[in-house]
Order: sequence, then C-alpha cells, then structure tokens
Amino acid sequence: DAGITQSPRHKVTETGTPVTLRCHQTENHRYMYWYRQDPGHGLRLIHYSYGVKDTDKGEVSDGYSVSRSKTEDFLLTLESATSSQTSVYFCAISERERRSEAFFGQGTRLTVV
Amino acid sequence: AQSVTQLGSHVSVSEGALVLLRCNYSSSVPPYLFWYVQYPNQGLQLLLKYTSAATLVKGINGFEAEFKKSETSFHLTKPSAHMSDAAEYFCAVLNTGFQKLVFGTGTRLLVSP
Repeated sequence: DAGITQSPRHKVTETGTPVTLRCHQTENHRYMYWYRQDPGHGLRLIHYSYGVKDTDKGEVSDGYSVSRSKTEDFLLTLESATSSQTSVYFCAISERERRSEAFFGQGTRLTVV
Repeated sequence: AQSVTQLGSHVSVSEGALVLLRCNYSSSVPPYLFWYVQYPNQGLQLLLKYTSAATLVKGINGFEAEFKKSETSFHLTKPSAHMSDAAEYFCAVLNTGFQKLVFGTGTRLLVSP
C-alpha cells in the first residue's frame, strides 16, 4: 500500500470554526490532491498540488484553502466550517508520469454541526 | 474537458452471475481511463487502468474492462460475481490538461447469495 496517512480520521466540529485536515505521504510523489466524496456526486476535486508551494483550485474549491510547504505534507483548511462541508475527504497522490494512477488515503469523515 | 458517466447508481447480481458496470467517457483526445473500487469505510483501490497499450485490460480480483473507441465506453466486467465483490465502483478519466482524475458518480454493486 502507498504510504499515505490522513489525520484526523474522524472529526466533529461546530459551524464557523476553522478546521485543518492533514495528508502525509512517504512516497515522495510530486502530485497531491484533496477530494470530497458525497452520495450521488462521486469524488470531486477540491484542490491539488504539483509541487512544494504550487497549488491550484479544483472544481469545488470555495470555502477551502490548501498549503504545501513540504513534499510530504498537504494541508486542507476550512476557514469557517459550514454544514455543507460535512463530507468524507480523501487525499490522493500520484507520480510525474501522466499514465500513472492515483493512490488514496483512508479518508477523513468530517461532520459540521 | 474530459468526463465520465456511469450508468446505474446500483447494480444487483446473484453470486456466480456476470457483473457488468457501465462507464462512458467524453474526451477529444485519446483518454487514460481507470476503474477504482471502494469497500465500506475505506479509501479507493485501483482495479485496472487503460493507457492505450491494449484495448482489453485485466485487473485485480478477476475484473477486466474493454476500451471501445467507437462506443466511447470502458465497461467493467467479471464473469462470476463473488460476495466479496460487493462494493462501490468508480470510473475515472485523466484530465489531459493536468495530472488529475475526474470521477464518475459511482455504482454500488450488490451481490446476493
């Protein structure tokens, strides 16, 4: 299994509070991604990174920010959590080659109450 | 932009029956296509991938998929379903503009004894 660790695995937070999810990899892969999974929507890309300090928005980036100060860590921050951000969040990594698949973490279940 | 459509949010089969999960893609260039499986409370695991080397792709756990350009399809099949195949399956296409996956909405496979 690819070395991807997400933390925390579960979190309950209140509306309006900031939340940071962490993704840590030991594979030295260049690309890292944050997806959210919701019933009926599959997985949707929030943000991605193509190198240290190089990030860009995905299709559902509103309300989220990311940072990547080291190759191995990719942080996802909800500046002010809302109930619509209740979801399961997955981190993924992939290598440089275009044909390579993405490897996924175990997910973080976030509930905003 | 590339996209995939999965037909049927739920598919039910009996143990030992043929499994057929449908995926159609939209792409203006030759696509790279993937099938992932997700077991309950887990991350996504790669089943197989198509990267233009061969139109019939064999994956893990007895699954295979055939790339058909004329039908813009990449359907997933398994000759004989097993109870352990019950999971959610996602088709994905690699965005040619950048190294990121675009997912379908998923198909939940139910296997009955």
